[in-house]
Order: sequence, then structure tokens, then C-alpha cells
Amino acid sequence: SQQGEEDPQALSIQEGENATMNCSYKTSINNLQWYRQNSGRGLVHLILIRSNEREKHSGRLRVTLDTSKKSSSLLITASRAADTASYFCATDGQSTDKLIFGTGTRLQVFP
Amino acid sequence: KAGVTQTPRYLIKTRGQQVTLSCSPISGHRSVSWYQQTPGQGLQFLFEYFSETQRNKGNFPGRFSGRQFSNSRSEMNVSTLELGDSALYLCASSPETGSPLHFGNGTRLTVT
Repeated sequence: SQQGEEDPQALSIQEGENATMNCSYKTSINNLQWYRQNSGRGLVHLILIRSNEREKHSGRLRVTLDTSKKSSSLLITASRAADTASYFCATDGQSTDKLIFGTGTRLQVFP
Repeated sequence: KAGVTQTPRYLIKTRGQQVTLSCSPISGHRSVSWYQQTPGQGLQFLFEYFSETQRNKGNFPGRFSGRQFSNSRSEMNVSTLELGDSALYLCASSPETGSPLHFGNGTRLTVT
């Protein structure tokens, strides 16, 4: 399968804590993207990091990319109950023109 | 700008029937992609259309087909429905291939 793997599969934390999700993938990429999905809804794009970038920030989000290990991490700082959702990484492979999604991490933030 | 619109929101069909799902992309977006989401398989890429041409196709049987019209609206069709086709079907648009995707809220298809 070309899908990336994310871990953990599920994560439960308290409001105010930080949440870290990891993504591993298999092929060389042009870029890696992170998306959020609230239950039963469509996905929302969060951030895109290109293969020549190592770290990117957007508000409370911090994404890192290690192309030598074919892995990425998403850190959400000072989490809120509204951050409760599933988070997916997606890779835009160099040998394909399609975005392939990982298996997702289900994040639960308790007030 | 209006977001990606998918219709219908919910659909119940019987095995053996066929179904057509519709997607209206964000104005100006020429690329439309379709994904199938199930609890067991996650998000699986179906196909991508760009300027009325199928640019990419995933590993789905020929029962799954699609098309894109000159106004960028897209439809996907599933013929001879099977129980395993029950899923959330998501459409996403983008200005061009490789750009971040803008998703609709999906069509939930239940096959009985």
C-alpha cells in the first residue's frame, strides 16, 4: 500500500496540553500536507511543508519533516476542546500526481 | 467564495443498483479529486479530473467511473453496487494538481 502510517492511532489529552502526531511514508515526496477532519465532515487543510523544508509553523501548529527518515510530525500546542478531530497526513509523491492519505490519528481533548 | 458542494448528502441504495454522486468545486478550481473513506481502509484515492480529462486513477474496479464537465463540475458513478461500497465519498477541488485540497462534506452512501 502507498498509504502512510500515523501514530498513535488515538490520543487523549487535557485542554492546555500539547499533542504530537507522527506520520511515516514510503516514497520520495514533493510535499507533505496535514488535514483535520471533524466527525462525518470533509477534511480541512491545515499546513503544507515542501520536501526542502524542515520545519513550518502556523499559529499553534508546528510541523517538522525529515526526508531521510521519511517521517513528519504535527505538534498542536495548548490544545483546546475544539481541536478534537481526526488528523491526517497526505503525501504528494514525486512519482505520482495524486495525494495519498495516511491512516489518521484520532485526537480527543477533554475540557 | 462558496465551498465545495456535494449532493446528495445521504443516499441509501440496494445491491445491484447504480448511483451517481455530484460535486461542484470552488469557482476557478479546475482539478477535482474523489476519495472513498471507510473505517477499515481509510481514505482511498478514486480518481482526479483536470479540465475534463481524467488525470489519475486509483485501484478501484471499473464499476467506479467519473467525469468532469466544462464548468468543472464532476460526477462519479458506481454501477452494480456491492455492500462493500458503503462509505463516505469525498470530493475535493484545487486550482491545480499538487495544491492543497478543499473538501466537500461528502456523500454518505449506504448499500443494503
